[in-house]
Amino acid sequence: GNSVTQMEGPVTLSEEAFLTINCTYTATGYPSLFWYVQYPGEGLQLLLKATKADDKGSNKGFEATYRKETTSFHLEKGSVQVSDSAVYFCALRTQGGSEKLVFGKGTKLTVNP
Amino acid sequence: EPEVTQTPSHQVTQMGQEVILRCVPISNHLYFYWYRQILGQKVEFLVSFYNNEISEKSEIFDDQFSVERPDGSNFTLKIRSTKLEDSAMYFCASALGGVGDTQYFGPGTRLTVL
Repeated sequence: GNSVTQMEGPVTLSEEAFLTINCTYTATGYPSLFWYVQYPGEGLQLLLKATKADDKGSNKGFEATYRKETTSFHLEKGSVQVSDSAVYFCALRTQGGSEKLVFGKGTKLTVNP
Repeated sequence: EPEVTQTPSHQVTQMGQEVILRCVPISNHLYFYWYRQILGQKVEFLVSFYNNEISEKSEIFDDQFSVERPDGSNFTLKIRSTKLEDSAMYFCASALGGVGDTQYFGPGTRLTVL
């Protein structure tokens, strides 16, 4: 079946450190891939997405590249800020007309000043 | 900026009781969803709803669950007879379009079944 695996957290970094959160997927065909972020007390917000192989999604300094050969969509940011502290969710949506998102477990990021 | 809201933020109930979780989607959106996250596990899709009908549901969404859009603004999830394993965070989402459109999520309702 379709699934998403992302690195276990929590992840703790110092401000201005480099961030990578790994995400790999299993799906038939060519799914669309997403990163959602949940700040404390808020809902999941779409951070970025990619809909086909080799696409790069980017937003707020975060980037992720859709790698079909490695079935991955790793999230990166060159220099994190305290305000990036949140839970990050990798997700996919399969082809074929389904609207449902398939999520990973989420990775909690804490950035210390 | 418009947002999805959910009430209550935390609901505690006894096993076997009925609960209704409420959501107010973004006002011009047409597609509505419920997801849940059991503590420590993945966010799981429950159901999608469009044009006053369920368009897709997961195997989790059995006869104990129902959804309704009672008044054109609210979107509710009812659990008829709660079980301990229904304890989870429940997220509502809405989208303007269907497949391919961004889903906007609410902050969630934490349901605790005792």
